[in-house]
Amino acid sequence: GAVVSQHPSWVICKSGTSVKIECRSLDFQATTMFWYRQFPKQSLMLMATSNEGSKATYEQGVEKDKFLINHASLTLSTLTVTSAHPEDSSFYICSARGGFSSPLHFGNGTRLTVT
Amino acid sequence: SQELEQSPQSLIVQEGKNLTINCTSSKTLYGLYWYKQKYGEGLIFLMMLQKGGEEKSHEKITAKLDEKKQQSSLHITASQPSHAGIYLCGADRSGGSNYKLTFGKGTLLTVNP
Repeated sequence: GAVVSQHPSWVICKSGTSVKIECRSLDFQATTMFWYRQFPKQSLMLMATSNEGSKATYEQGVEKDKFLINHASLTLSTLTVTSAHPEDSSFYICSARGGFSSPLHFGNGTRLTVT
Repeated sequence: SQELEQSPQSLIVQEGKNLTINCTSSKTLYGLYWYKQKYGEGLIFLMMLQKGGEEKSHEKITAKLDEKKQQSSLHITASQPSHAGIYLCGADRSGGSNYKLTFGKGTLLTVNP
């Protein structure tokens, strides 16, 4: 089945620094990937749609200059949290679709802690 | 936006018991997806339903989508501790064009041995 790999699984950074999270589709090509954010005991919130070779589409209320998305190849999308603050601490999950009729497959998530 | 209401929010059952989780939408669903999540981990795909009245089963889990495509249920037969986790329903709110999913808040299932 389709496998999505996310790295790192957890990261701790200092306030003001930037953190990059990678999302890879291992056995399929993904022209579109999705980035979600999840707060404790809450559901997933869609942040943005990552499009290969073009600009990402951000959901309302998500700062595109703060959450930079790059989808440079058909198997890799990256999310960079710039100038991180403690309120950015969260669980970030990426997902991708393996084909037209296939469901979304999710990475294992990245736990970001900003100190 | 299309909201998804899941019930119950949490559920504790004894091993071997059957249980049902519900997911209700305020609008017609283009597609309904069930996922399972362990705390702090990614989502595991369980079932995808797209047609009104559709029912799918995998091992001891059965998911149904009603004829109006506004309500889905997930039923677990003879629950086991391995079924414990957070069950999330997700709805395709793009009409199938770009595959965006909106999720319910989840149902936390605990199965006591």
